[in-house]
Amino acid sequence: DQQVKQNSPSLSVQEGRISILNCDYTNSMFDYFLWYKKYPAEGPTFLISISSIKDKNEDGRFTVFLNKSAKHLSLHIVPSQPGDSAVYFCAASAQEYGNKLVFGAGTILRVKS
Amino acid sequence: GAGVSQSPSNKVTEKGKDVELRCDPISGHTALYWYRQRLGQGLEFLIYFQGNSAPDKSGLPSDRFSAERTGESVSTLTIQRTQQEDSAVYLCASSQRGGIRGYGYTFGSGTRLTVV
Repeated sequence: DQQVKQNSPSLSVQEGRISILNCDYTNSMFDYFLWYKKYPAEGPTFLISISSIKDKNEDGRFTVFLNKSAKHLSLHIVPSQPGDSAVYFCAASAQEYGNKLVFGAGTILRVKS
Repeated sequence: GAGVSQSPSNKVTEKGKDVELRCDPISGHTALYWYRQRLGQGLEFLIYFQGNSAPDKSGLPSDRFSAERTGESVSTLTIQRTQQEDSAVYLCASSQRGGIRGYGYTFGSGTRLTVV
């Protein structure tokens, strides 16, 4: 029962172009969404989050968009840099789950120079 | 410490043996979480500690798994009679406040457990 799905296992983008990472969820009770970035042999690091009362949150090159009616969110990275190459995890939180995050399976992003 | 520290970083064990994984959270972080990631899958919640409250053990997959935490410091995750399906990266995270809603956790680098 995967409540958070990242359907693209991998994505390859040219340096300088936009990277768009997608995430779908099934539980309408989710009200916070987060993106984590993970390099090999390191733990995931928090990147950006969005509350369900918003539809967009921007932090530098990173923007997260939320479409509640479609139960879909996306992470945009503009411009993409080689150092952005990593695994990106989408995660969601709901009041009923307390402080637990529900994670997707991750998308491997490769930025080619 | 400056970050969440986990040990060992790698552990290979024989099926049926017990293993103990350790996590040192960031000093002052009251909440501590254990997750695991099996190959090709997302992060799977195991257990959550918040201060002196009873831990949320709802994610532990079987009674072979247990975890302890002393106060707001070190936590150990113990897996008894390991099975091959226990092979995964076990990740520990901590947060400054119990309600992480939107703030995120800080993860350690994980322990890669391989059961042969």
